[in-house]
Amino acid sequence: DVKVTQSSRYLVKRTGEKVFLECVQDMDHENMFWYRQDPGLGLRLIYFSYDVKMKEKGDIPEGYSVSREKKERFSLILESASTNQTSMYLCATLANTDTQYFGPGTRLTVL
Amino acid sequence: DQQVKQNSPSLSVQEGRISILNCDYTNSMFDYFLWYKKYPAEGPTFLISISSIKDKNEDGRFTVFLNKSAKHLSLHIVPSQPGDSAVYFCAAVVRRYGGSQGNLIFGKGTKLSVKP
Repeated sequence: DVKVTQSSRYLVKRTGEKVFLECVQDMDHENMFWYRQDPGLGLRLIYFSYDVKMKEKGDIPEGYSVSREKKERFSLILESASTNQTSMYLCATLANTDTQYFGPGTRLTVL
Repeated sequence: DQQVKQNSPSLSVQEGRISILNCDYTNSMFDYFLWYKKYPAEGPTFLISISSIKDKNEDGRFTVFLNKSAKHLSLHIVPSQPGDSAVYFCAAVVRRYGGSQGNLIFGKGTKLSVKP
């Protein structure tokens, strides 16, 4: 079974704070992804990484950065949180079968 | 421009009946499709997938049909159960740089409600 864990299920931060969301997978997968999910908008790709220290922008990278120092860990960073970044953040890892497996999600609220 | 479209935001079905969730896509280069199910406050869980070389894939109560000429796929759930109530996302694989690995493009989801 693929296991993807995210550091927090719920997080409340203030505008302007730096926010770190952590994701860990135990399957030695090379590819990892960060999405946000908003009602009526589906899942939108923020960033992905296909190897350690490698990263690529997804569809909505503005206001975010990422870090992949170890294969099993992929971090999403909000440099200066804003209220429009209130969302559900989902991490995923890619298996060889083109199937992505998701973590439980982090519900971030920015006040 | 949406490449993967789920035109019905919601669907309500009676327990025991068939649920049919639809998905349309625009890019004929897509070669692999997946359906995910998502409960509130949880991550999406993979349900079933289909390669473009097939027109049907079945797994228990779940069947996915692919009509390449119409660029349409559908997920059938038979019989529907109250525990199936969730948001269902259709996704297509977009190959990176023409290689074997790909990213997913998701539809906006359809909320299924199965009434007892």
